[in-house]
Amino acid sequence: GDSVTQMEGPVTLSEEAFLTINCTYTATGYPSLFWYVQYPGEGLQLLLKATKADDKGSNKGFEATYRKETTSFHLEKGSVQVSDSAVYFCALTRGGGNQFYFGTGTSLTVIP
Amino acid sequence: DGGITQSPKYLFRKEGQNVTLSCEQNLNHDAMYWYRQDPGQGLRLIYYSQIVNDFQKGDIAEGYSVSREKKESFPLTVTSAQKNPTAFYLCASKSDAGQGTQPQHFGDGTRLSIL
Repeated sequence: GDSVTQMEGPVTLSEEAFLTINCTYTATGYPSLFWYVQYPGEGLQLLLKATKADDKGSNKGFEATYRKETTSFHLEKGSVQVSDSAVYFCALTRGGGNQFYFGTGTSLTVIP
Repeated sequence: DGGITQSPKYLFRKEGQNVTLSCEQNLNHDAMYWYRQDPGQGLRLIYYSQIVNDFQKGDIAEGYSVSREKKESFPLTVTSAQKNPTAFYLCASKSDAGQGTQPQHFGDGTRLSIL
């Protein structure tokens, strides 16, 4: 069945460091891929998405490229800030169904 | 602004009591979902509904019930049969447009605790 695997945390970085959070997926066909961010005590917010191979989603300095050949959608940011501290979830969905599949989340802490 | 409203933000349940969590959306979305999130864990699907008056069980439906009488509303009842209800509950909705390319939109969650 469909699934998402993302790197385990927690991840701790210094401010202005480079961030990569790995995400790989298993799905038949051509899923759409998403990254969500969750701040403490809040719901999930959509960070970025990509709906077909080689698409790059980007938002607030974060980027992720849909790589069908490696079934990956890694999240990157060139220079993290303290305000980026949150839990990040990778997710997928496929056409023809309404179910979403989420990774287990990666906690990021950025220290000044 | 359009969005999803969950209420209350905090809820306490006594042993043997049923409680209902509210979820309302004004996004005109067809599909709605309930997830449970435990500390440090990912999301687990409880129930989802694709249209009014229809819903499907997710991975952990036991001890929960839902209704979908209106497009805008998808309340979740945590029954006394749910032995470990303490968790953070998230409601989400999604448009059916775009053939599976649309994201889910989430509410701010309800934190349920046992007294």
